[in-house]
Amino acid sequence: GAVVSQHPSWVICKSGTSVKIECRSLDFQATTMFWYRQFPKQSLMLMATSNEGSKATYEQGVEKDKFLINHASLTLSTLTVTSAHPEDSSFYICSARTGGPYNEQFFGPGTRLTVL
Amino acid sequence: DAKTTQPPSMDCAEGRAANLPCNHSTISGNEYVYWYRQIHSQGPQYIIHGLKNNETNEMASLIITEDRKSSTLILPHATLRDTAVYYCIVSSNNDMRFGAGTRLTVKP
Repeated sequence: GAVVSQHPSWVICKSGTSVKIECRSLDFQATTMFWYRQFPKQSLMLMATSNEGSKATYEQGVEKDKFLINHASLTLSTLTVTSAHPEDSSFYICSARTGGPYNEQFFGPGTRLTVL
Repeated sequence: DAKTTQPPSMDCAEGRAANLPCNHSTISGNEYVYWYRQIHSQGPQYIIHGLKNNETNEMASLIITEDRKSSTLILPHATLRDTAVYYCIVSSNNDMRFGAGTRLTVKP
């Protein structure tokens, strides 16, 4: 299957700082990428849908000014958590859609963010 | 609101078939049934998907009822490495929204 990578795999930061997470589709072009958040012992929650070259579409309740998404190329989307606080500590997962006849969606390995 | 209903947990003996049910009684005609699994602290892994016909691949089989209101994922010979949370998702546009899933524990 197609490969999606995330960087970094884990990050620890101080409260009030910003953190950028990268999501890359390694062997295919992804016109659409998705960002999810997962708290301990909970399911994945869709945060936003990112389309290459256009503004991201955020789910209800997700602050677009806090979670900045940029999808500048067909293989890269970034999520920046601005002014992070301890309650933003979570597992952030991206996915990318392959397009084509099957339009499958593949997930990255996730990034664990801890805000102190 | 969840579109699917799955049992919260199931156990299976190693080497036996694991049959994971999913109810999706409000599924629309253009919605596919997808199955993913998530092993602890990893990203979800695609398993299989189908529209109305039964499907099989190297990982699993998917059985969809004729009325499409429910489906069953079958892992034919479960191993300890199949211990994971299994998610059943219905979607028409590949916008995957996850429910609570079924935590499958494969026991020796």
